[in-house]
Amino acid sequence: DTAVSQTPKYLVTQMGNDKSIKCEQNLGHDTMYWYKQDSKKFLKIMFSYNNKELIINETVPNRFSPKSPDKAHLNLHINSLELGDSAVYFCASSHLNEQFFGPGTRLTVL
Amino acid sequence: AQKVTQAQTEISVVEKEDVTLDCVYETRDTTYYLFWYKQPPSGELVFLIRRNSFDEQNEISGRYSWNFQKSTSSFNFTITASQVVDSAVYFCALSEFGNTDKLIFGTGTRLQVFP
Repeated sequence: DTAVSQTPKYLVTQMGNDKSIKCEQNLGHDTMYWYKQDSKKFLKIMFSYNNKELIINETVPNRFSPKSPDKAHLNLHINSLELGDSAVYFCASSHLNEQFFGPGTRLTVL
Repeated sequence: AQKVTQAQTEISVVEKEDVTLDCVYETRDTTYYLFWYKQPPSGELVFLIRRNSFDEQNEISGRYSWNFQKSTSSFNFTITASQVVDSAVYFCALSEFGNTDKLIFGTGTRLQVFP
């Protein structure tokens, strides 16, 4: 049973398009995150949700909008994709400071 | 401000050598957690260890060991008798106590183990 799952695993799209990445966790955790890993492997938090409420937004452009329909899901919608959005996006969930990561979604913007 | 520094960008060793990956952190909190994650070429993030700031005991797990020293704000990771399968990028991370739990990652150290 996968603890944190993300779909799709790979996403290739054109500049200007809108795309979504879905994340689900079956661990019963209250807190979920999105992290971005750029081409230099640098990992940085983007958003954090606790019980469907946004608690961290790390100065991410407005084109990125997370949505949490329930505490087991945290989806990431990106509008007007730009070349610089190409990266691997990791979803995670946590409980008591222990974080579990999804397998990542590699987004390539052409 | 919180910060994690992994000064070694890349390390290459030959199999069976011991290797230490350095991690230095900065935080103003007295309660925090430190982590190491492994990212193999397949790309997933594999959790290795979590340490809280009140537990300075060194830890050993098989060929892996961790040395936590609050006096120097360091949390170094040693692999004994390295193997080719240890080749990966290793990340040190910090999280401060509280309800955010967000991880501040270092820039990673790429370890290449040659046969």
